Amino acid sequence: KAGVTQTPRYLIKTRGQQVTLSCSPISGHRSVSWYQQTPGQGLQFLFEYFSETQRNKGNFPGRFSGRQFSNSRSEMNVSTLELGDSALYLCASRRDHGLETQYFGPGTRLLVL
Amino acid sequence: AQSVTQPDIHITVSEGASLELRCNYSYGATPYLFWYVQSPGQGLQLLLKYFSGDTLVQGIKGFEAEFKRSQSSFNLRKPSVHWSDAAEYFCAVGDSSGGGADGLTFGKGTHLIIQP
Repeated sequence: KAGVTQTPRYLIKTRGQQVTLSCSPISGHRSVSWYQQTPGQGLQFLFEYFSETQRNKGNFPGRFSGRQFSNSRSEMNVSTLELGDSALYLCASRRDHGLETQYFGPGTRLLVL
Repeated sequence: AQSVTQPDIHITVSEGASLELRCNYSYGATPYLFWYVQSPGQGLQLLLKYFSGDTLVQGIKGFEAEFKRSQSSFNLRKPSVHWSDAAEYFCAVGDSSGGGADGLTFGKGTHLIIQP
């Protein structure tokens, strides 16, 4: 079974631009979560989607948004990019919400100049 | 709010020696606990997890962890490390009350260096 895939793997953007990242979960998994990883703050929860609905959101500004499609694929969008948004963005999927194990993708590394 | 502390930022171990990585958590109810490993440029790979039952859990790659409620700890151990174990290790806690909707809370990670 294929793992979680994320595209693109690397991105370079400039301040003020917006960016969209994509995540395809493991087949059969309906829950997708997003995390931001930075050297200073570590791994932080962004939000989780299940059946096209956002179930919860971490402590991030409204510039960070996401959505999930009927095939469970998910996208996250960051508008008006700031230098501090440079990070590794990780997507994780699990079969259901609740305490199923989360399986992580390789991440998208975003550099904001 | 739940939290996870990994007291050791870096640990250096000789190849073949034993390893113990510390993890302390703060959580009101019975926690759901995880250890993940991250190699450079990679995502996170699950090593093992504790939901309930036997407090000593076995994982992949020869790792094990022991849940100690009295010490609020979930330390990761391996009897003999290999050079390929060099990586970043993360302890995480999940919310058992809200169905995990709040996502995992991670520690800051421990960077493991293996000396030849």
